[in-house]
Amino acid sequence: EAQVTQNPRYLITVTGKKLTVTCSQNMNHEYMSWYRQDPGLGLRQIYYSMNVEVTDKGDVPEGYKVSRKEKRNFPLILESPSPNQTSLYFCASSSSRGTVAFFGQGTRLTVV
Amino acid sequence: QKEVEQDPGPLSVPEGAIVSLNCTYSNSAFQYFMWYRQYSRKGPELLMYTYSSGNKEDGRFTAQVDKSSKYISLFIRDSQPSDSATYLCAMSAPNDYKLSFGAGTTVTVRA
Repeated sequence: EAQVTQNPRYLITVTGKKLTVTCSQNMNHEYMSWYRQDPGLGLRQIYYSMNVEVTDKGDVPEGYKVSRKEKRNFPLILESPSPNQTSLYFCASSSSRGTVAFFGQGTRLTVV
Repeated sequence: QKEVEQDPGPLSVPEGAIVSLNCTYSNSAFQYFMWYRQYSRKGPELLMYTYSSGNKEDGRFTAQVDKSSKYISLFIRDSQPSDSATYLCAMSAPNDYKLSFGAGTTVTVRA
């Protein structure tokens, strides 16, 4: 089954404790991205990757890092999480930029 | 002005009714038009997409794109309580690095 898999689904952490949210897709897609979804603000892009070792900032990249060492994986790293990063996070993939995207199930992150 | 406008609703209809959802946009370069369904605290699920103009039908769902008016629609026939969700429109131009989303319309189908 074609899918985008994120882990963990739920995470509660404390301010400043580094964490990683993993994302994996099995569709051999070149393009992957991370979004966060907040009430009243909708879905906003954090980072995207056009291919292995090629990443760039989206609209709200502050406080986040990403890496793309393999085509299928695109982890999101929060080096020093803060409470304003409490949000619902989604990973998405598509065959190329500007085309239809498929989303993961989401990771609900709470930073206390 | 937002690039994609979508009435957030909420919209409440009785079971069996036709649900009509729409979005307007300003960027004439948009070519892909998508509708996603999102259940509470779940990921957006791709329902349908259309490339450029025209209509597309899939079961109870029909998507329409009118590029001349910069207007897209999604119709749900014979709506069911299981259709209760938030529906997001999304669009992209060929070289876009991200999707442009509407705010989402929350739909409740009453049994």
